[in-house]
Amino acid sequence: TQLLEQSPQFLSIQEGENLTVYCNSSSVFSSLQWYRQEPGEGPVLLVTVVTGGEVKKLKRLTFQFGDARKDSSLHITAAQPGDTGLYLCAGASWNNNDMRFGAGTRLTVKP
Amino acid sequence: NAGVTQTPKFQVLKTGQSMTLQCAQDMNHEYMSWYRQDPGMGLRLIHYSVGAGITDQGEVPNGYNVSRSTTEDFPLRLLSAAPSQTSVYFCASSTGTGNQPQHFGDGTRLSIL
Repeated sequence: TQLLEQSPQFLSIQEGENLTVYCNSSSVFSSLQWYRQEPGEGPVLLVTVVTGGEVKKLKRLTFQFGDARKDSSLHITAAQPGDTGLYLCAGASWNNNDMRFGAGTRLTVKP
Repeated sequence: NAGVTQTPKFQVLKTGQSMTLQCAQDMNHEYMSWYRQDPGMGLRLIHYSVGAGITDQGEVPNGYNVSRSTTEDFPLRLLSAAPSQTSVYFCASSTGTGNQPQHFGDGTRLSIL
């Protein structure tokens, strides 16, 4: 059983569409991070959210941390083929010594 | 700027063989960790270190050993390889734990026959 559940597992959309992916848990986290991973490479950090209810924007990407610090969402506006990749969420435990990852959402944006 | 360097990139082993996956970082990061990535499972923490001389177990430590004799290096040892250890292994480093960004290497793809 994954500590962090990500949905959907796979998502294929056309260029220009909007999408939202979710990261949910029954556990409370001190902070939550979103990473993007491309084939043959390691994950690369997109954003860290640390405050319940926090919203962060990174160009066309909007990240939200749930009020109860148990869940997060990533919204992409007007998706582009360059957004294609595996999106991973990761939650930091309160002892701050380890980070747990979700299984990821594999996004494909077709031109 | 090398960042986190993992070697080898690919390796095939026979069941029962041992080997060491190398990880080096040149950012003077105190915190380093090893993950394995399997389809549908995400990244699972194997071992981590908060500084030279200090290591601790993560979520899936069985069958693996680590040591941290220097700040730069954090090797992962497979004692007796098993087919269940076939996976892609990632090393990461960061300035600290919690909300600090983790910097990942490009991974080692390991197959155990």
